[in-house]
Amino acid sequence: QVQLQESGPGLVKPSETLSLTCSVSGDSMRSGYWNWIRQSPGETLEWIGYIYYSGSTHHNPSLKSRITLSIDTSNSQFSLKLNSVTAADTAVYYCARSPQGSSAFGDWGQGTLVIVSS
Amino acid sequence: DIQLTQSPSSLSASVGDRVTVTCQASQDIRYYLNWYQQKPGKAPKLLIYDASILERGAPSRFSGGGSGTDFTFTISSLQPEDVGTYFCQQFHNHPPTFGGGTRVEIK
Repeated sequence: QVQLQESGPGLVKPSETLSLTCSVSGDSMRSGYWNWIRQSPGETLEWIGYIYYSGSTHHNPSLKSRITLSIDTSNSQFSLKLNSVTAADTAVYYCARSPQGSSAFGDWGQGTLVIVSS
Repeated sequence: DIQLTQSPSSLSASVGDRVTVTCQASQDIRYYLNWYQQKPGKAPKLLIYDASILERGAPSRFSGGGSGTDFTFTISSLQPEDVGTYFCQQFHNHPPTFGGGTRVEIK
């Protein structure tokens, strides 16, 4: 069974870059699409974007200009960079997998809280 | 973006009750709708995909239905472990979007 684990700083200063990594174990990086999803305190979920093992990406247009997604298949990791952060980017960030042929987020990491504050 | 409107936003029911949550899409999404359960402090968990297909391992008391713009999620007999927030999510159009959530509590 695939397992995902987010890692990265829990505190980022305004205007700086948020950087997170998701480590994947238990399945191949070719097994699906690798997503980032966030949830602001008390709010619903917001899809950020996905990356495929080939490196192709798709972003949420609301965030597209600030997002960089990358993948390291040799180390079974993928990463998110979100630049020019503000307090509105404070959220729990999840990585999640959509298996091949599925539209659903079937596997999730536990989530990591990132606070944007000086 | 496609908007998903869930109702009610919260509900309180007794153990054993039948509970139904609705999700209305702002445009036709065919059957491209999924349902998740989120317990406090935990990641969401997929329960239903493609509107009505039960995810492997999910209890059979959970079910989903609908197509087009109107969808339902039902718990046939509410159990104490079902407390949490339930979200619908569409994947018909990019970007994928989520409903606002329905908090389910035990009366």
